[in-house]
Amino acid sequence: EAGVAQSPRYKIIEKRQSVAFWCNPISGHATLYWYQQILGQGPKLLIQFQNNGVVDDSQLPKDRFSAERLKGVDSTLKIQPAKLEDSAVYLCASSGQGTVNTEAFFGQGTRLTVV
Amino acid sequence: KQEVTQIPAALSVPEGENLVLNCSFTDSAIYNLQWFRQDPGKGLTSLLLIQSSQREQTSGRLNASLDKSSGRSTLYIAASQPGDSATYLCAVRGGAQKLVFGQGTRLTINP
Repeated sequence: EAGVAQSPRYKIIEKRQSVAFWCNPISGHATLYWYQQILGQGPKLLIQFQNNGVVDDSQLPKDRFSAERLKGVDSTLKIQPAKLEDSAVYLCASSGQGTVNTEAFFGQGTRLTVV
Repeated sequence: KQEVTQIPAALSVPEGENLVLNCSFTDSAIYNLQWFRQDPGKGLTSLLLIQSSQREQTSGRLNASLDKSSGRSTLYIAASQPGDSATYLCAVRGGAQKLVFGQGTRLTINP
């Protein structure tokens, strides 16, 4: 079974530029998460999709971040314009529809450096 | 709002010791709890998943326990090895498939 795929692995941009990250979840997984992980901290949820609908985007800085999940499969997270404090690892995860036995699987992450 | 806390933030022990990592959560209405390992610059690797009705799960040298009523989980690592050095994260799954993480424990095993 293929895992969660993310690209790119690394990205360096200047502040005020825009950047986009891509995620392909495990086939058949309805739930897709984007997390931001700043160095030395735990992952913070940015947005959660159930199929192609948004379940939770309460911590997404909507003035600069946007995300979409077309056709309930792949997802794209965009930052425009980037700030220095956006430097972090962006993690994508997916999980199935169940509850007690549902496991989350993570991609390798995209490390963003804003200079 | 679910909050997850991991103690200690960092731990350094000599090789061969047994050790315990702690995870606590504020809302006991969870479906399951997952322990992850994260190596520097890498994504998260799932180690163990404990369902809300279970008390513990074992995988090799790892044993995770769950006391849902008190909002606590522990990850026990037996006979630690230098290759166990990593950051260990716990995450709880609640309603609407929400997955909330702790801050992690950075573990160093010294040869």
